[in-house]
Amino acid sequence: AQSVTQLDSQVPVFEEAPVELRCNYSSSVSVYLFWYVQYPNQGLQLLLKYLSGSTLVKGINGFEAEFNKSQTSFHLRKPSVHISDTAEYFCAVSDRTLTGGGNKLTFGTGTQLKVEL
Amino acid sequence: GAVVSQHPSRVICKSGTSVKIECRSLDFQATTMFWYRQFPKQSLMLMATSNEGSKATYEQGVEKDKFLINHASLTLSTLTVTSAHPEDSSFYICSARVGRLGNTIYFGEGSWLTVV
Repeated sequence: AQSVTQLDSQVPVFEEAPVELRCNYSSSVSVYLFWYVQYPNQGLQLLLKYLSGSTLVKGINGFEAEFNKSQTSFHLRKPSVHISDTAEYFCAVSDRTLTGGGNKLTFGTGTQLKVEL
Repeated sequence: GAVVSQHPSRVICKSGTSVKIECRSLDFQATTMFWYRQFPKQSLMLMATSNEGSKATYEQGVEKDKFLINHASLTLSTLTVTSAHPEDSSFYICSARVGRLGNTIYFGEGSWLTVV
């Protein structure tokens, strides 16, 4: 079984400032890692995912995340945020050992990013 | 890119009635689809895994007789909330896995269910 912890429920930040959204996970097996964004009244959109290879993963909209196995973390970063980045961000993991990998996703509780002028 | 469509996006139903939500993969075949529900200010909780041509696999605590899932084709899965009650009001989201062994998943836009 896996669990995901997103310690920050809300992160306020000014426009053009950098931001980091924290994600830590717990698992007894190897995992795939994901970050999703949810805009108001919409479904989820994949920002980026870590499957293997380089631990620094670049995603859409200028976001990136770094997988740190020793710290079991997968923090999401953006060097300069925009008003349009205001949304809910979810970190998720899936069991790497299952066939097809990205099957059942276990989500964190989400972090509300609020970008202010 | 691949698209997953849910319908309806919003539905209001009376307590005691049933409501069906559809999840379609528009330009790819999805042998596996997943149904989640999300309460306000909370994360998504997996309800069940829907496999084409077979019975759905429900997560612990999810009533299979209340949340009927049918995956009759490679592009369509339906969730029927039977005898709905106000506590069933939630945001329901489906996701579909591309191909049989792929690790790419696309989410639908979600469906808001309000039971009055």
